[in-house]
This record gives sequence, C-alpha cells and structure tokens, in this order.
Amino acid sequence: DAGVIQSPRHEVTEMGQEVTLRCKPISGHDYLFWYRQTMMRGLELLIYFNNNVPIDDSGMPEDRFSAKMPNASFSTLKIQPSEPRDSAVYFCASTTGGYGYTFGSGTRLTVV
Amino acid sequence: GDSVTQMEGPVTLSEEAFLTINCTYTATGYPSLFWYVQYPGEGLQLLLKATKADDKGSNKGFEATYRKETTSFHLEKGSVQVSDSAVYFCALSDNTGFQKLVFGTGTRLLVSP
Repeated sequence: DAGVIQSPRHEVTEMGQEVTLRCKPISGHDYLFWYRQTMMRGLELLIYFNNNVPIDDSGMPEDRFSAKMPNASFSTLKIQPSEPRDSAVYFCASTTGGYGYTFGSGTRLTVV
Repeated sequence: GDSVTQMEGPVTLSEEAFLTINCTYTATGYPSLFWYVQYPGEGLQLLLKATKADDKGSNKGFEATYRKETTSFHLEKGSVQVSDSAVYFCALSDNTGFQKLVFGTGTRLLVSP
C-alpha cells in the first residue's frame, strides 16, 4: 500500500486566495482525520470523518475552513479566503479502528 | 476532557546515553496509549502502543509501560543513536469507538555523536 497520500507537498499562495488540500486515505480505512501543526499550537485536530460522514468539526478554526469527503478514497480541506495565520503544515491521517493512525507526509502551506 | 502532558524539550543527549521522555495523561475511562515519532519533514509514525494497564509497548529499542496508578506512559531507550533525533509525541485514545487521538505537545530529542 502506498500509505496516506497528500497533495500538494508545498503550497504558497497569496492572502485572500482559495486553497485546497487533498488526501487519499489507505484503502479500507474508514476513519479520516485532518490535523494542523504549528510551532505555537502544536498538533490540532480540525475535523474527522467516519465512513465519509463528518463526526466532529469543532476544531475547524473559522467558517473560512471547510472539509469534504465525497467518497471513501478522497477528502479535501479548503480554506477560502486564506490568511497568513493559516500558514502551517496540514496532515491527513487514516485508520481502520483498532489502534494507531497512519499519517500522510503533510502539506506545508505558506500564505503571504 | 482527556489530555496528555509531556516534558518540555529539547532533550539533548550524547550517543549511547539513556533516554527517558515523561508522559502523563488525564482520562475518564480506560484509554489506549501511544508514542508517535516525527522525523524532519515527515508525518508522524506510530512507534509503539499499549492498550491496557501494565502492558509494555516496544519497538526499535524503545519501550513504554502503561502505568494506571501513576497515569503515566514514559518512553525509554537504553542507548540512543544520532538517527533517533526527532520529535516524539505521546497520545491517548479514549476508546469510545470514534478512534479520536489526543496528542501531547511533543518533545524534541537531539542526539549528538
């Protein structure tokens, strides 16, 4: 298995632009998580899905953030409009239940 | 709510030194406990886990024992290598069925030759 695949690896965008981050979970995993990592705040859980249904989005910082999971093999995290304070590394992770996540390599977002 | 507390870093050691990274947790139920490792520029990788009290997780020379009486899950390694330099995260799962992990803030380990 290729693991959890995230794209792009790096994204640089101007303030006010729309940004879309993508994630392909491991086949057969029915939980998908989006995390944000910064030096100041560490790892923050933004939202997670079970069987493509959002279970808890209480970590989504603002209405500018939205996430979808249209099918079991694809999820997106969208920021519109983006702001410099959104600059961070965004991780996607999946699991089948049981114990332990598999993380993707992350998307490093820089908003200038 | 559930939480995990880790020792502040960085932890700086010489090669072959003994490593301990402290982790304590607060949880209402009977959580599963994990250690993850993050190498520079990469995502987190599961290092080891323990699912019930007194279980010992181990992997790549690292060990941690689930201590319910002290609500701790300290990470240890007898002899660290330069390649162990990374950030280590302690985490718990509340076992409610939704597989949500709560992470500590991470502890950076720097090993010098």
